[in-house]
Amino acid sequence: LAKTTQPISMDSYEGQEVNITCSHNNIATNDYITWYQQFPSQGPRFIIQGYKTKVTNEVASLFIPADRKSSTLSLPRVSLSDTAVYYCLVTPKAAGNKLTFGGGTRVLVKP
Amino acid sequence: NAGVTQTPKFRVLKTGQSMTLLCAQDMNHEYMYWYRQDPGMGLRLIHYSVGEGTTAKGEVPDGYNVSRLKKQNFLLGLESAAPSQTSVYFCASSSGDTGANVLTFGAGSRLTVL
Repeated sequence: LAKTTQPISMDSYEGQEVNITCSHNNIATNDYITWYQQFPSQGPRFIIQGYKTKVTNEVASLFIPADRKSSTLSLPRVSLSDTAVYYCLVTPKAAGNKLTFGGGTRVLVKP
Repeated sequence: NAGVTQTPKFRVLKTGQSMTLLCAQDMNHEYMYWYRQDPGMGLRLIHYSVGEGTTAKGEVPDGYNVSRLKKQNFLLGLESAAPSQTSVYFCASSSGDTGANVLTFGAGSRLTVL
């Protein structure tokens, strides 16, 4: 499975846009990019998933360049409640594989 | 739907004791996973299962055993608990039918080994 690299932490302020970039140089043709959010004392929850170009939902946008060697999670107009750890995973389309997490990016939103 | 339910939520053990964590999912998911998360760290995969009756080792399997006798349940056992196994344990499941391996997590089980 492709290894991912993302910043350890990021600080932001309420109302700003937060962009977290994840590197996955060894991504395979059939791999998807999946992002999870984890609040303290809770299990991670799915935010967004994409294969190429751009994906948007009610929570975030995911930008994937043509070479797919990186991806950027964009959180628009963050609030204090967006303070969490964000994990980027490269997940193969074939289910049931060994899904491993990296250290994630700790985002702190300040008032 | 309850989703993924973990029991117990909290447990304190003495070194050398044994216990079993239960994970139950009601989504008819084929795949199930056990992770551990130490304070301030990311999640590490202990064991996983790709179907009823099957299990496989993850990144940190030593000291743990698992069983998947029923599709909806995935049990994690500690035969002889050690202080190094103090952690929060998360169970997750996925169907694999839509997209790629989107995981649904339980709320976690906090284990302290004295």
